[in-house]
Amino acid sequence: DTAVSQTPKYLVTQMGNDKSIKCEQNLGHDTMYWYKQDSKKFLKIMFSYNNKELIINETVPNRFSPKSPDKAHLNLHINSLELGDSAVYFCASSYPGAGETQYFGPGTRLLVL
Amino acid sequence: SQQGEEDPQALSIQEGENATMNCSYKTSINNLQWYRQNSGRGLVHLILIRSNEREKHSGRLRVTLDTSKKSSSLLITASRAADTASYFCATAPFDDYKLSFGAGTTVTVRA
Repeated sequence: DTAVSQTPKYLVTQMGNDKSIKCEQNLGHDTMYWYKQDSKKFLKIMFSYNNKELIINETVPNRFSPKSPDKAHLNLHINSLELGDSAVYFCASSYPGAGETQYFGPGTRLLVL
Repeated sequence: SQQGEEDPQALSIQEGENATMNCSYKTSINNLQWYRQNSGRGLVHLILIRSNEREKHSGRLRVTLDTSKKSSSLLITASRAADTASYFCATAPFDDYKLSFGAGTTVTVRA
């Protein structure tokens, strides 16, 4: 069974469009994360929710909005997509607490044309 | 900002050889974690070493931590083709959920 799943796996879209990426985990974790990995493989934290409460909100454009309907799901909505948004977006989850091991999803490869 | 920095950026070795990569960081940590990423996949947790530990083993993996030098190393012994991947260190502060990842070391194991 997949522990952390993301949909879609690939997303190709035009500049200016709005898109969403969904993430679900069945590990019973309270904490979920969104990361962006650029073309040089540098991984940067974007957001984190703990039991549906936003706890990490890094400096990202406000075109990016996370939503956590329950602690097993964390979605990422991106408005007015730009070329620079092209990247791989990873969802992860962990038990609550500083320094916990994180479990990553397979990634969503976003290409903005 | 980026906390861990891996060295070297890339490593190519023959199957059966050992691979060593290093990670340096800047601030105090609660623990340091190593992850592997196969091409086109998500990251997989390999090993966690706490700030009061100096060495840890898991199968063919050996991790050391020197908090006085703010550095860690990951050794993969008797490498296999399946070890071909990027390896990332991630530092965890005491009071934050955030992990800070380095840019990774890309390891290629030649058959």
